Amino acid sequence: GNSVTQMEGPVTLSEEAFLTINCTYTATGYPSLFWYVQYPGEGLQLLLKATKADDKGSNKGFEATYRKETTSFHLEKGSVQVSDSAVYFCALSSNTGNQFYFGTGTSLTVIP
Amino acid sequence: DAGVIQSPRHEVTEMGQEVTLRCKPISGHDYLFWYRQTMMRGLELLIYFNNNVPIDDSGMPEDRFSAKMPNASFSTLKIQPSEPRDSAVYFCASSFRGTSGKNIQYFGAGTRLSVL
Repeated sequence: GNSVTQMEGPVTLSEEAFLTINCTYTATGYPSLFWYVQYPGEGLQLLLKATKADDKGSNKGFEATYRKETTSFHLEKGSVQVSDSAVYFCALSSNTGNQFYFGTGTSLTVIP
Repeated sequence: DAGVIQSPRHEVTEMGQEVTLRCKPISGHDYLFWYRQTMMRGLELLIYFNNNVPIDDSGMPEDRFSAKMPNASFSTLKIQPSEPRDSAVYFCASSFRGTSGKNIQYFGAGTRLSVL
């Protein structure tokens, strides 16, 4: 079946620190992979995506590379800001593209 | 486009009352999803529709929950009767599959439900 496992939180970092949030997946076929971000009081927003192996998704300084050999899609940012404080969800969409499978979310707090 | 629109944003009701949550998907999208988010269980898919037809409702917790999509621009999630354990944030999302077979889900801002 399809599932996503992501790093437990919460994560607290100082401003300008390096961020990694781990995500691994189990899927049949060739899924698409996503990172969504949820700011307080809001819905989930797409942060970045990758649709095939070795693709790198990037947005707002965040990056994630689709690694088929390790079934991973880790989120990274070189220098976090206070405004990056949010909950981050890793997700996959099966190759039929209908349903999403979300991880449990990782809460990030960035302190000045 | 205004995005996915949910109403109300907040709902407070008493146990036993009927609750109706509403969703307007993005125009042109052919899939609509209802999710529930709680601290304990995270984000759970309740039901999803394709072209207004329910495809998978296996996530609906029990018969007290029902969802409809009478047309492409409107869906409701109803809880009758409501119970305190239904308190959660309910999200609606929509997507367009397109020819690539790959779609992105766009979420509404959610309805925060409190059942007293």
